[in-house]
Amino acid sequence: DAGITQSPRHKVTETGTPVTLRCHQTENHRYMYWYRQDPGHGLRLIHYSYGVKDTDKGEVSDGYSVSRSKTEDFLLTLESATSSQTSVYFCAISESRGGNEKLFFGSGTQLSVL
Amino acid sequence: DAKTTQPNSMESNEEEPVHLPCNHSTISGTDYIHWYRQLPSQGPEYVIHGLTSNVNNRMASLAIAEDRKSSTLILHRATLRDAAVYYCILRAHNAGNMLTFGGGTRLMVKP
Repeated sequence: DAGITQSPRHKVTETGTPVTLRCHQTENHRYMYWYRQDPGHGLRLIHYSYGVKDTDKGEVSDGYSVSRSKTEDFLLTLESATSSQTSVYFCAISESRGGNEKLFFGSGTQLSVL
Repeated sequence: DAKTTQPNSMESNEEEPVHLPCNHSTISGTDYIHWYRQLPSQGPEYVIHGLTSNVNNRMASLAIAEDRKSSTLILHRATLRDAAVYYCILRAHNAGNMLTFGGGTRLMVKP
């Protein structure tokens, strides 16, 4: 199994508070991704990174920011959590990008914003 | 990425082969066909991918139609652990970074 660890696994927070989710990899893969999964929407890309300090927005980036100061860590921050950000968040990594890539996913973080 | 169509659900008996179909009639020549699966309460898991030729690995086989407008994921002997949602996804060679998961097929395996 790919070495991907997400923390925390579960988080309950209140509306308006900042939240940071962490993704840690031991594979030294260049690309890292944050997705959210909601019923009826499948997985949607929030942000991704293509190297240290190199990040870009995905499909649903509003309300989220990311940082990658080391190859192995990719942080997702909700600056001011809202109830619409209640979701399951998955981190993924890949060695390459494009049609031939394989993505490896973490086990997810269940976030509830009350 | 081009669109794929999969049945919402399928059932199989344990230890029997399972054929999961996927239609992708708008596939382009540079699109790879990827399959992922998601077990309950887990992240998606890569299963297999191919471009034109059939592919085999330790998890499954991928049969690609000659015109590439459809493909079939084959699990040779289903186990209870194979109960999951299976996603068929097309990825262009010069794709951006959005791996788009549709609804997938929920596979139920009966003992």
